[in-house]
Amino acid sequence: SQELEQSPQSLIVQEGKNLTINCTSSKTLYGLYWYKQKYGEGLIFLMMLQKGGEEKSHEKITAKLDEKKQQSSLHITASQPSHAGIYLCGAVGTGFQKLVFGTGTRLLVSP
Amino acid sequence: DGGITQSPKYLFRKEGQNVTLSCEQNLNHDAMYWYRQDPGQGLRLIYYSQIVNDFQKGDIAEGYSVSREKKESFPLTVTSAQKNPTAFYLCASSIIWGSSYEQYFGPGTRLTVT
Repeated sequence: SQELEQSPQSLIVQEGKNLTINCTSSKTLYGLYWYKQKYGEGLIFLMMLQKGGEEKSHEKITAKLDEKKQQSSLHITASQPSHAGIYLCGAVGTGFQKLVFGTGTRLLVSP
Repeated sequence: DGGITQSPKYLFRKEGQNVTLSCEQNLNHDAMYWYRQDPGQGLRLIYYSQIVNDFQKGDIAEGYSVSREKKESFPLTVTSAQKNPTAFYLCASSIIWGSSYEQYFGPGTRLTVT
């Protein structure tokens, strides 16, 4: 079965700094979701990447899918306290398969 | 506004009691899902339903039961057979079943069993 590993598991950055979160798959990635979760709340959809090399941006968050490396990266530029939370990646499988989630990266942004 | 509602947000039960978590959606989605989230772990699929009156076991269905009598409702019962029921439970829906379709999540229910 497919497994997703996220790194780092947790991250503390100073406000204004850039950061990158990685999501690595044990199998071929056919697409990938990035979700954000505030503590004790539901998941908020950030973006979905469907093709190798695809890059999408939403406000100060950019994500890219590298099919060859079976990896996706999420980059936040000039972090703000509002970026704090748990970031989860989810892998798209072939056909009608369930969504497999990574273990999450906990981000804290210090003032 | 369309969305998914879960109630209650916090739930406390004594060990040995069954408890039912509510999940309602007004997005007209066919597929619905229940996930469990534990600290340091990703989301694990408990049950899913592709369509009304149909549901399938996910990866960790033991000790749980569901029903899907209406398109908009997918309640989850945590039975006394579930060995470690204390967790954060998330309900989700998508237009149809499959990982290619974005899942919309509810706000979650935190269940504590003592």
